[in-house]
Amino acid sequence: DIQMTQSPSFLSASVGERVTLSCKASQNINKYLDWYQQKLGEAPKLLIYNTNNLHTGIPSRFSGSGSGTDYTLTISSLQPEDVATYFCLQRNSWPLTFGSGTKLEIK
Amino acid sequence: EVQLVESGGGLVQPGRSLKLSCAASGFTFSNYGMAWVRQAPTKGLEWVATISYDGSSTYYRDSVKGRFTISRDNAKSTLYLQMDSLRSEDTATYYCARAGYGGFAYWGQGTLVTVSS
Repeated sequence: DIQMTQSPSFLSASVGERVTLSCKASQNINKYLDWYQQKLGEAPKLLIYNTNNLHTGIPSRFSGSGSGTDYTLTISSLQPEDVATYFCLQRNSWPLTFGSGTKLEIK
Repeated sequence: EVQLVESGGGLVQPGRSLKLSCAASGFTFSNYGMAWVRQAPTKGLEWVATISYDGSSTYYRDSVKGRFTISRDNAKSTLYLQMDSLRSEDTATYYCARAGYGGFAYWGQGTLVTVSS
């Protein structure tokens, strides 16, 4: 199985700050990497698919990049409504595997 | 508007069965693969199973293989998850999600399954 390692586990940042979240795969996942946002008590929501494609309706302050085993989600200017846990998911091979998540809070 | 509505969760004893349903609307159900993803209380997300658009292909995580069955009824725009021989470690909120090239683009609100005696 492909292991997905997210870092950091917890991040505290200020409003307006640029934030970078990392996801590392145990092997090449050929850019089949998605990012999901889950707010407290809600279902997850797709932000980015296939490394760098913004899902419909997602603000442009969210962006993704990466290749091979290393992937990044960037929030260009953190907003209060971005408080959530962020998960990465690899869809390159079965079984699909999620990272353990990065919990993001406002400082 | 895409909507996915799960039902069928509840409290069940270990070793018993439960069947979850996910009613889809707002898109052509028969054009998309579908998936179940679960989340144990205070834990992360865990993929459970995926079914192709026509039901001809199914995929499972090892821990549920042989116990869970994913299926679909395209005429009813409904996805199912038959869960047999339930264990305490299956306790979780179960989400259905629309699968495809663009990831799990839409999710239901989830249904809670609690396995306990």
